[in-house]
Amino acid sequence: GQNIDQPTEMTATEGAIVQINCTYQTSGFNGLFWYQQHAGEAPTFLSYNVLDGLEEKGRFSSFLSRSKGYSYLLLKELQMKDSASYLCAVTDSNYQLIWGAGTKLIIKP
Amino acid sequence: NAGVTQTPKFRVLKTGQSMTLLCAQDMNHEYMYWYRQDPGMGLRLIHYSVGEGTTAKGEVPDGYNVSRLKKQNFLLGLESAAPSQTSVYFCASSSGGESHNEQFFGPGTRLTVL
Repeated sequence: GQNIDQPTEMTATEGAIVQINCTYQTSGFNGLFWYQQHAGEAPTFLSYNVLDGLEEKGRFSSFLSRSKGYSYLLLKELQMKDSASYLCAVTDSNYQLIWGAGTKLIIKP
Repeated sequence: NAGVTQTPKFRVLKTGQSMTLLCAQDMNHEYMYWYRQDPGMGLRLIHYSVGEGTTAKGEVPDGYNVSRLKKQNFLLGLESAAPSQTSVYFCASSSGGESHNEQFFGPGTRLTVL
């Protein structure tokens, strides 16, 4: 079966750094996405990884290890507006996106 | 550009009623998708379309039908609504099926079936 695992909820402090992990077992792999979803809103694209390594984009970075079936999203200098759910999604061998349940990130002052 | 829009935003149905959700995109995207999102679960693909006049089943197609008569529109129909179809429905579009093509989402439709 296809499976993507993320922690259900995490809490962090404003100004700090947080790492959200994602592990996956899918039929094939053609890339991994991270999306951000604020409560009551639509998911919006954050990052895409297809090769091993770290992709940095401002305060957000995403890492991929294909051999380990593992990715993480790193958020630096946390702001209150970063309170949201973060969704990990993998493109499988049929080029379909398989979605994790998301990690709800709570930022405290 | 409006991006991806969905109507209606909210709807309450009684069991057995039918309805159609409309999705429209102005980005000239070929691919369009319908997902449902339920608490504690990832987005699940209902149906998708790779171009005008084409549709295909996703992970959870039962109880739903779709049509893509125009490139910019993708309709999702519920013929006989059931309480299990209470969910938030998202439409999305992408420029193609390649792995790097990000999907753009509409604001969602919150459907309750009593």
